[in-house]
Amino acid sequence: GDSVTQMEGPVTLSEEAFLTINCTYTATGYPSLFWYVQYPGEGLQLLLKATKADDKGSNKGFEATYRKETTSFHLEKGSVQVSDSAVYFCALTTGTASKLTFGTGTRLQVTL
Amino acid sequence: GAGVSQTPSNKVTEKGKYVELRCDPISGHTALYWYRQSLGQGPEFLIYFQGTGAADDSGLPNDRFFAVRPEGSVSTLKIQRTERGDSAVYLCASSLYGTSSGANVLTFGAGSRLTVL
Repeated sequence: GDSVTQMEGPVTLSEEAFLTINCTYTATGYPSLFWYVQYPGEGLQLLLKATKADDKGSNKGFEATYRKETTSFHLEKGSVQVSDSAVYFCALTTGTASKLTFGTGTRLQVTL
Repeated sequence: GAGVSQTPSNKVTEKGKYVELRCDPISGHTALYWYRQSLGQGPEFLIYFQGTGAADDSGLPNDRFFAVRPEGSVSTLKIQRTERGDSAVYLCASSLYGTSSGANVLTFGAGSRLTVL
């Protein structure tokens, strides 16, 4: 079945540091890939997505590129802020399936 | 409404009791989803409605769990004879359409935290 593997957290960075959160996947079909973010006390929000190989999703300074050859969708940001502190979830959905398969989440903590 | 609304936000119950969790999706969204998020884990799919019908209930863990969406809008997740292992945050999401993966963006509610003592 489909699965998503994320790097374990927590990830602790100083403000303005470079961020990478690794995500790899296993899928039976041709997945669409997503990053969701969960800020403290809030619901899951879509951060970015990519629907086919080599697509780059971007939003709020975050980027992720759909790499079919390495089955990866790593999240990056060039300069993190304290307000980026949250839990980040990589997810996929395949074919005509409407349900998302999530990774376990990676907690990011950014300090001054 | 403007977003997906879930009630109650917190529910504490005793083992063996019956619980109902309510989800009010975004107006006009035809698809509605229930997920369960245990502590330290990612959300796990439970059930998906397209309109009034359950199009995919493959994630329901056992027959103690049941969900309805009688008028194609509000949905209720029902848990009978609750067990301590049912403790989790139950998330509801809705989307405009229920198919075609990549274009189908889900909007999540803040969740209902269930604690079974």
